Amino acid sequence: KAGVTQTPRYLIKTRGQQVTLSCSPISGHRSVSWYQQTPGQGLQFLFEYFSETQRNKGNFPGRFSGRQFSNSRSEMNVSTLELGDSALYLCASSKTDYGYTFGSGTRLTVV
Amino acid sequence: TQLLEQSPQFLSIQEGENLTVYCNSSSVFSSLQWYRQEPGEGPVLLVTVVTGGEVKKLKRLTFQFGDARKDSSLHITAAQPGDTGLYLCAGEDGYALNFGKGTSLLVTP
Repeated sequence: KAGVTQTPRYLIKTRGQQVTLSCSPISGHRSVSWYQQTPGQGLQFLFEYFSETQRNKGNFPGRFSGRQFSNSRSEMNVSTLELGDSALYLCASSKTDYGYTFGSGTRLTVV
Repeated sequence: TQLLEQSPQFLSIQEGENLTVYCNSSSVFSSLQWYRQEPGEGPVLLVTVVTGGEVKKLKRLTFQFGDARKDSSLHITAAQPGDTGLYLCAGEDGYALNFGKGTSLLVTP
């Protein structure tokens, strides 16, 4: 069965720009979570969506936002990019709290 | 502050050796999950442990959940080069999946 698909795989943006990342979960999975991974901080939870509603949110500034569509696909947006936003952004889908399937991630570089 | 502390951070061993990775926290989790991540890819779920004291085996990998559901360990027997990767533990607290910073394992032939 198809896994979690994230697009694009790589992205280079300039400081101050905004970016939108996309995630298509496994069919039948209604929960989509987003994580930021950096060498210094590891994986940090951004937010979780379930049935088009944001269920939980991590400790990130309001520049980070997301949404989920009726087909469970999700997008996250980062506005006014900063150099420190350079990271691997991972999306994960799940049916329960007992195991998540991650996508391959989007590598964002801010220059 | 990291909710989950993993040790060691780095481990370099020879093929055939045994190793144990530890994951400790002061928080109680409803489940503890272990993932392995390879460079440029997302983490892949290895196992989920739910019950305090639970032990699960996956071929040469043995996972244990502490009695108080705050800590866990991963033991690999007779490590192989294919075991190389970043091992991450993650605790589900009903709000989010909280990750440790990982143990980077290198197994050389």
